[in-house]
Amino acid sequence: GESVGLHLPTLSVQEGDNSIINCAYSNSASDYFIWYKQESGKGPQFIIDIRSNMDKRQGQRVTVLLNKTVKHLSLQIAATQPGDSAVYFCAENMMPDRGSTLGRLYFGRGTQLTVWP
Amino acid sequence: IAGITQAPTSQILAAGRRMTLRCTQDMRHNAMYWYRQDLGLGLRLIHYSNTAGTTGKGEVPDGYSVSRANTDDFPLTLASAVPSQTSVYFCASSPEGGNSPLHFGNGTRLTVT
Repeated sequence: GESVGLHLPTLSVQEGDNSIINCAYSNSASDYFIWYKQESGKGPQFIIDIRSNMDKRQGQRVTVLLNKTVKHLSLQIAATQPGDSAVYFCAENMMPDRGSTLGRLYFGRGTQLTVWP
Repeated sequence: IAGITQAPTSQILAAGRRMTLRCTQDMRHNAMYWYRQDLGLGLRLIHYSNTAGTTGKGEVPDGYSVSRANTDDFPLTLASAVPSQTSVYFCASSPEGGNSPLHFGNGTRLTVT
């Protein structure tokens, strides 16, 4: 079946640098995407989302870019800090069941971001 | 503090035993989900519920069952646990299903021996 995937399992950056985490998806019908951050021993935390009618969305120090042509999603973190060290997941909204308007989120495998001083 | 509560935090279970993982949310969200997280495989959807009284199967439903008797509770039952069900289980909820962010609990770490 179609699934969300990630290009790199690990990413190491120096404090203060910008980080870019990539995600490829294969379901062309997906219309909603989310990035989550997961710290050790905790559940995933929402970072930012984007709908398919947008190409870019910015939050505080984070930007998500969506390229529907090549089915690619990226998360950019500006001025990366030690507290940003975590596993980052992208998720896509799969098409809902017949008769339902609610889709379901499917997650990629995650990228471990490590920030070193 | 509003959110999702999962219990127990961790559990060691003998193979063949029955186990129910509890999940309660106080945000009045319509949709609830159960995911399992295994190293290298990310989060995989087990079962979901779009609203009280309805449930559906996710990617990996075999060996698990759920019920949704009311809005707040969404228990996950392992009828006869097997070692391959050793994992970290996360419950989540959202107001609009997959069209809005999911809120996650802190997980239940289950070891089946």
